[in-house]
Amino acid sequence: DGGITQSPKYLFRKEGQNVTLSCEQNLNHDAMYWYRQDPGQGLRLIYYSQIVNDFQKGDIAEGYSVSREKKESFPLTVTSAQKNPTAFYLCASTGLAGPTDTQYFGPGTRLTVL
Amino acid sequence: GDSVTQMEGPVTLSEEAFLTINCTYTATGYPSLFWYVQYPGEGLQLLLKATKADDKGSNKGFEATYRKETTSFHLEKGSVQVSDSAVYFCALYHSGGGADGLTFGKGTHLIIQP
Repeated sequence: DGGITQSPKYLFRKEGQNVTLSCEQNLNHDAMYWYRQDPGQGLRLIYYSQIVNDFQKGDIAEGYSVSREKKESFPLTVTSAQKNPTAFYLCASTGLAGPTDTQYFGPGTRLTVL
Repeated sequence: GDSVTQMEGPVTLSEEAFLTINCTYTATGYPSLFWYVQYPGEGLQLLLKATKADDKGSNKGFEATYRKETTSFHLEKGSVQVSDSAVYFCALYHSGGGADGLTFGKGTHLIIQP
């Protein structure tokens, strides 16, 4: 079955540590996205990538980094510079070079800073 | 910049009641409009979409019509079921509106009681 997988489902991090969230898709989609979801605030775009080896900052990129070395993978690193990283992180992808087509979402990773 | 405003929740209804969740947007030009649904602990799933004025999106008994004159995309369902309990997000995509991702509303939590 085609889809998007994210791992782990739950992640705990100590303050000052970097942590990497995995996102893999086998839909052969070009564009991939990372969103952050906080209670009562909807989703906000962190980073996006339309092609391999290229990515762009979204609305709240500070304290995060990404890479796009392979078409099917778009890992997100939450660095120690991110002041409030506890949130639900969602990865998405779409087949066109832009989200006018359907964006497919992964199941999410819930990150908690201890 | 682009923005989406949804009615605040939670919205609590009895089974078989009529549902309306209001959504209005601010964007220049002609954005594409979406409704996504999120079940507890899961990622988002596309419910329906409309890409131009007067289009009606429909799926699983839900409908929404793209009204440019009122900049609205209200979600409706004639008879809700307990299984419709979820969080519903209105979203838009506007080419050239900034970062190349969806702009989401804050979400409306829908609770259907038997």
